[in-house]
Amino acid sequence: AQKITQTQPGMFVQEKEAVTLDCTYDTSDQSYGLFWYKQPSSGEMIFLIYQGSYDEQNATEGRYSLNFQKARKSANLVISASQLGDSAMYFCATIPGGFLNDMRFGAGTRLTVKP
Amino acid sequence: AAGVIQSPRHLIKEKRETATLKCYPIPRHDTVYWYQQGPGQDPQFLISFYEKMQSDKGSIPDRFSAQQFSDYHSELNMSSLELGDSALYFCASSLSVNPYEQYFGPGTRLTVT
Repeated sequence: AQKITQTQPGMFVQEKEAVTLDCTYDTSDQSYGLFWYKQPSSGEMIFLIYQGSYDEQNATEGRYSLNFQKARKSANLVISASQLGDSAMYFCATIPGGFLNDMRFGAGTRLTVKP
Repeated sequence: AAGVIQSPRHLIKEKRETATLKCYPIPRHDTVYWYQQGPGQDPQFLISFYEKMQSDKGSIPDRFSAQQFSDYHSELNMSSLELGDSALYFCASSLSVNPYEQYFGPGTRLTVT
């Protein structure tokens, strides 16, 4: 079964600095998708970014970019120019084989942005 | 822009009671997903619907059922509630042509006492 590991339970970053949230996955599938979601204290899950396993370029969405290193099986999220509103839980998730019914989430990383 | 709407936002039920959670997807989204997130846990996929038909099934207990209606809204029905059903229930929607971009609703927090 696909396993997602987020090794950083908590991270701190100074406002306006960049931060990298780690995510590694364990899969034997050739085709899979990788996601990052943000969950603020209010509880909702906010889609941030998606990367397909066959995408050669790293996905970017505004201040978010996904550092995809296929050989290392890592999909780190980079947030540039951190803002106070970025403080939240961040979940890495994957869909092995591209099957959306099998989305697996990591344990999450709590990011705190300091003023 | 319109987002996924879930109602109610909070629900308190007693053991053995039933609960119905509602989800209204983003307009023109044809696919709906339900997830359960227990306290301190990551979300777990329950079930999904495409064009009013169940498309995939995850770790949904037999006590739960769900359906998608003609207006694409979906309802998750939960019977014989147990204490362990206390969780945050998320609905997400997407366009079938771009299923990887799922937009989540704010969630319904169910507390079973």
